[in-house]
Amino acid sequence: KAGVTQTPRYLIKTRGQQVTLSCSPISGHRSVSWYQQTPGQGLQFLFEYFSETQRNKGNFPGRFSGRQFSNSRSEMNVSTLELGDSALYLCASSRDPTGQGTKETQYFGPGTRLLVL
Amino acid sequence: DQQVKQNSPSLSVQEGRISILNCDYTNSMFDYFLWYKKYPAEGPTFLISISSIKDKNEDGRFTVFLNKSAKHLSLHIVPSQPGDSAVYFCAAQRGSGTYKYIFGTGTRLKVLA
Repeated sequence: KAGVTQTPRYLIKTRGQQVTLSCSPISGHRSVSWYQQTPGQGLQFLFEYFSETQRNKGNFPGRFSGRQFSNSRSEMNVSTLELGDSALYLCASSRDPTGQGTKETQYFGPGTRLLVL
Repeated sequence: DQQVKQNSPSLSVQEGRISILNCDYTNSMFDYFLWYKKYPAEGPTFLISISSIKDKNEDGRFTVFLNKSAKHLSLHIVPSQPGDSAVYFCAAQRGSGTYKYIFGTGTRLKVLA
């Protein structure tokens, strides 16, 4: 079974631009979460989607948004990029068969490394 | 407010010896804990998890211990191998209904041959 895939793997943008990152979860997984990893900050939760609905959101400004499609694929968008948005953006998926967000493992993709100049 | 803390940024261990990675948390509502391993340029890989109703869980060379009263968990790797050299993250989840994990800042383990 294929793992979580993310595209693109690397991206360079300039301040003020916007960017869209894509994530395809493991087949059959319905929950998709996004995390930002920066040096010294660990992984910070951005948001989680289930059945095309945002189920939870972290403490990030409104410039960060996401969506999920009917096939569970997800995209996140960052508008008006700032230098501090340079990070590794990770997507993770979980099966969540009951839709209750029960104790199941999240599996991560390789990430998209974004550099903002 | 860092709810999950890994106070040792790095750890070096000789091959064949035990590696012990520590994690502390402040939120008593966390009821599920996980350890992930991360190599450079790759996403985190799940290692082992533990529910708050248990105090120990084993999987091969990996054992996780949970001390709820101290709000502390540890990952033991025995024996340590050079391929274990990576950054290890602990993560915590509170309740159900969402897969929001709170991660620590990671510990870089180096296993010396």
